[in-house]
Amino acid sequence: GDSVTQMEGPVTLSEEAFLTINCTYTATGYPSLFWYVQYPGEGLQLLLKATKADDKGSNKGFEATYRKETTSFHLEKGSVQVSDSAVYFCALAYNQGGKLIFGQGTELSVKP
Amino acid sequence: GAVVSQHPSRVICKSGTSVKIECRSLDFQATTMFWYRQFPKQSLMLMATSNEGSKATYEQGVEKDKFLINHASLTLSTLTVTSAHPEDSSFYICSAPPEQGLYGYTFGSGTRLTVV
Repeated sequence: GDSVTQMEGPVTLSEEAFLTINCTYTATGYPSLFWYVQYPGEGLQLLLKATKADDKGSNKGFEATYRKETTSFHLEKGSVQVSDSAVYFCALAYNQGGKLIFGQGTELSVKP
Repeated sequence: GAVVSQHPSRVICKSGTSVKIECRSLDFQATTMFWYRQFPKQSLMLMATSNEGSKATYEQGVEKDKFLINHASLTLSTLTVTSAHPEDSSFYICSAPPEQGLYGYTFGSGTRLTVV
């Protein structure tokens, strides 16, 4: 079946460091891919998405490119801030309104 | 943008009692609502999908009689945890899929359930 795998956390970085959180997926079809962020004690917020191969999603300095050949959707940011500390989830879904399948989440901690 | 209001945000209940969690779509009609459960430091596990006007679809391994899901209207979906036990303590989150043409799924803010 379809699944999403993320790199294990926690990831601890200093402010202004470069961030990469790896995400790979297994899919029987051609899903849309998402990154969601969850701040402590809160629900999930959409960070970015890509709907087809080679699409790049970007938001708030974060970006991820849908790589069909490597079945990956790695999240990157050039310079992280303390306020980026959160749990990041990679996810996939088929069709408009299909259920989201989540990776296990990666906790990011950014130190001043 | 689309907003899903979920409440209560926190609830503590005694073992054996039932707890109802509500999710309301405030500015749009949600014909479908996904219900997730999240354990500490873990991912979101899809429990069931509710559809307005029909029975909910449960994921494998989820007890239908324990987690009652009702989609009473186009703006309200509820999850009732019946005869709660400490192992039901968790973070429950609802999510509505995007309306046609809109950007992404909308999540409720979650409910922290603690069964004592």
